[in-house]
Amino acid sequence: EVQLVQSGAEVKKPGESLKISCKGSGYSFTSYWIGWVRQMPGKGLEWMGIIYPGDSDTRYSPSFQGQVTISADKSISTAYLQWSSLKASDTAMYYCVSGLRSEYFQHWGQGTLVTVSS
Amino acid sequence: EIVLTQSPATLSLSPGERATLSCRASQSVSSYLAWYQQKPGQAPRLLIYDASNRATGIPARFSGSGSGTDFTLTISSLEPEDFAVYYCQQRSNWPPYMYTFGQGTKLEIK
Repeated sequence: EVQLVQSGAEVKKPGESLKISCKGSGYSFTSYWIGWVRQMPGKGLEWMGIIYPGDSDTRYSPSFQGQVTISADKSISTAYLQWSSLKASDTAMYYCVSGLRSEYFQHWGQGTLVTVSS
Repeated sequence: EIVLTQSPATLSLSPGERATLSCRASQSVSSYLAWYQQKPGQAPRLLIYDASNRATGIPARFSGSGSGTDFTLTISSLEPEDFAVYYCQQRSNWPPYMYTFGQGTKLEIK
């Protein structure tokens, strides 16, 4: 069974850095793209970016390019989403997503709630 | 960037009724369109991919249709557990392969 298990909720102050994680299991981690999706409170889904752990090929939505960094460590089957300087507007639920077909998000992590507040 | 526009924003129906949700793309996405269901406090779930194929474990009352720029998700007879928010999603057909979601349709109990 494919599982994506994300790290726990975070509470941070503006300007702080953060790295959240997503550990994949039940499949060949290097063979599926892994992406990140943001959902701000009470709002819809926004695709942030995607990485292919096999060769670290990474793509970003223009809306998130330069704002976050996506990476992966295939030795521990884990993908990451990081910020160097958080803003209050980064407060949201973040989901990692993956699937055999790169066009769709068949598998979803449970979500990581990030709260940025002074 | 391809924009997906869903309608209506909110759909109020009763259990047993038929639901028809629409997703229109700003340019052709061929058949690479998916639908997701999200219930409060839960992660979204893939329902339909390639416009008309049900994902694993999805009941037969859910069906998808369409191609090009106009797509429809139909729920033939609403069950109480179907009241949720539904999103369509596409990936562009050419590199660098960008993904977009529609803004969602909330299906609520009338």
